[in-house]
Amino acid sequence: GAGVSQSPSNKVTEKGKDVELRCDPISGHTALYWYRQSLGQGLEFLIYFQGNSAPDKSGLPSDRFSAERTGGSVSTLTIQRTQQEDSAVYLCASSSLSGKETQYFGPGTRLLVL
Amino acid sequence: LAKTTQPISMDSYEGQEVNITCSHNNIATNDYITWYQQFPSQGPRFIIQGYKTKVTNEVASLFIPADRKSSTLSLPRVSLSDTAVYYCLVGDMGSGGYNKLIFGAGTRLAVHP
Repeated sequence: GAGVSQSPSNKVTEKGKDVELRCDPISGHTALYWYRQSLGQGLEFLIYFQGNSAPDKSGLPSDRFSAERTGGSVSTLTIQRTQQEDSAVYLCASSSLSGKETQYFGPGTRLLVL
Repeated sequence: LAKTTQPISMDSYEGQEVNITCSHNNIATNDYITWYQQFPSQGPRFIIQGYKTKVTNEVASLFIPADRKSSTLSLPRVSLSDTAVYYCLVGDMGSGGYNKLIFGAGTRLAVHP
């Protein structure tokens, strides 16, 4: 596609439910990143994919968070047993080749946990 | 990644030039300086990147002194649509790794009529 797309754009869920967030990177981009932005805060790195592998998961805040990428394209970020502190905007970015290049961000998914 | 310090907020008026300075005292030899712009309800957008001296593109200019311990993003003749948060990032773009971007709080620029 022309840019990075994410779905859903907004998600409201109840505490304890699982949620799945989707990212479609720019076609041909092998590097994919997930970030989280809490209200009024800067972006926090979560995980990095190169192809289908995730060599850096160091930013995932707990074992309730997981992510996968299939076919070197679409990625899903799953949050199990959501908590109120998980409420944030989840942003996906992709870049070409090794990942050293400019990252292009999607519009984000706004998650609200009630 | 080197820690950066930039003003929390700035105000300007349409048509003025805006300069946002970022301090990165412990920048490493291989580190590049990158600026991103973020509008409300959108993801960050790459503006400009440089290593030393001056870089200019169709959007902005980036001035980097010889010691590289600071950098200044210059936006010529701002308009209301330039109201956004501007992030300064410093990191290694040259090694065989990847870019785990570390964003600070950014500078919130408000452009007034």
